[in-house]
Amino acid sequence: SQQGEEDPQALSIQEGENATMNCSYKTSINNLQWYRQNSGRGLVHLILIRSNEREKHSGRLRVTLDTSKKSSSLLITASRAADTASYFCATDARGAQKLVFGQGTRLTINP
Amino acid sequence: GAGVSQSPSNKVTEKGKDVELRCDPISGHTALYWYRQSLGQGLEFLIYFQGNSAPDKSGLPSDRFSAERTGGSVSTLTIQRTQQEDSAVYLCASSAEWGANQPQHFGDGTRLSIL
Repeated sequence: SQQGEEDPQALSIQEGENATMNCSYKTSINNLQWYRQNSGRGLVHLILIRSNEREKHSGRLRVTLDTSKKSSSLLITASRAADTASYFCATDARGAQKLVFGQGTRLTINP
Repeated sequence: GAGVSQSPSNKVTEKGKDVELRCDPISGHTALYWYRQSLGQGLEFLIYFQGNSAPDKSGLPSDRFSAERTGGSVSTLTIQRTQQEDSAVYLCASSAEWGANQPQHFGDGTRLSIL
C-alpha cells in the first residue's frame, strides 16, 4: 500500500480562492516532499519539509507537517488557472533511500 | 539539455514485442529513478541507480523488466515480451545526490501502449 495518501482525490475551486490538500502517511519519516504534475507532463518538485520542521513557505505555497498525526497539508493561496494540476506528496520511510508517492489530488481552478 | 530527457515520448507496440525506453538525466546527477504511472494513478517505484549500480531493484514487476545505466549517465529500461498490463507512462527522474531527502527532477515520460 502507498505510504502517502492524499485527500481529497479531486478538488474544484474558483480562481482566487485558496486550495488545501492533505497527505497522510503510515510510518515515521525523515522528510516529505510535494510535487505538481500538469497533464501529460512529468512531476515538478515544489517543496521539501523535514521531520523537525512544522511549516514552510514558498511563494503562494504553504506546507505544514504534523508528525504526531502523520499528516501534511499543502495550501495554495490566491489560486490561478495555471495551478490546475495533480498534486502528489512523497515520503520516505526512515532508513529508506527512495520516495513513495501517494495517489495525488486533482486540482481544478475555474476561471 | 537543461532537463531530464526521455525517448521515445510515445511508443505503441504489439503484445509480445520487446521495448527499450531511454532516459538522459541532468548532467552530473548521481541518482536516477524509474517509475511507472497508470492512468490517473500515483507513481509506482521501479528501480533506482546510484552511479551505475542499482542497490534497489525491488520495484521491478517481473523478470521481464530490466534496467541498466552506463557511464553514470544514460539509462535504459527494457521490457521483454510485453503484456497489455505493461501499458502505462514510464517516468524517469534524476537527483544531484542519491537519497530520499533530494528533490527529484522528472522527464515528461514515455507513454507505452501495448496492443
